[in-house]
Amino acid sequence: EVQLVESGGGLVQPGRSLRLSCEASGFTFDNYAMHWVRQAPGKGLEWVSGISWASGNIDYADSVKGRFTISRDNARNSLYLQMNSLRVDDTALYYCAKPKTATPGSLDSWGQGTLVTVSS
Amino acid sequence: DIQMTQSPSSLSVSVGDRVAITCRADQSIAGYLNWYQQKSGKAPKLLIYGASSLQGGVPSRFSGSGSGTDFTLTISSLQPEDFATYYCQQSYSTPYTFGQGTKLEIK
Repeated sequence: EVQLVESGGGLVQPGRSLRLSCEASGFTFDNYAMHWVRQAPGKGLEWVSGISWASGNIDYADSVKGRFTISRDNARNSLYLQMNSLRVDDTALYYCAKPKTATPGSLDSWGQGTLVTVSS
Repeated sequence: DIQMTQSPSSLSVSVGDRVAITCRADQSIAGYLNWYQQKSGKAPKLLIYGASSLQGGVPSRFSGSGSGTDFTLTISSLQPEDFATYYCQQSYSTPYTFGQGTKLEIK
């Protein structure tokens, strides 16, 4: 059974940093690209970032480009999101998600999310 | 970035109704369109991928159609467990943008 467990969220002041982690199990992690998707309270879904299986291809939403860095450690079956210069509008539940094998952007497994609150 | 527009944003429906939700892309995305269901307090669940392929374990009352810029999610006979918010998402190119969501409410 695929499991994705996010951690690292919390309350942080504007301008500070936070690092999210996602531990994966139940599938061959290094065969898959991985993604972060967020959802602000009461709002819709926003794709944040994606990374290919070997970290050769990385993409970001314009809203986080230059502030967030996605990375992965295939030996640890883990995905990360380093978030710097956090803003109030980064407040959201952050999900990590795994795509289907043959359709890279179709996200068939999601974690439970970790909540990031940016407030002074 | 590709913009995705869903309609309607909310819909009051009854059990047994046939429901159609539309999603429009502002440029062609071929068949790279996915549909998700999200229930309150839960992570999204993939229903349809590649515009019309049913994800494993999803009831056959859900179906998807369309290509290019116009897509539709249809629920043939709404069940009580289907009251949720539905999102479309394009996976043609990054950033993989989502529609704003359609909330199904009990009439």
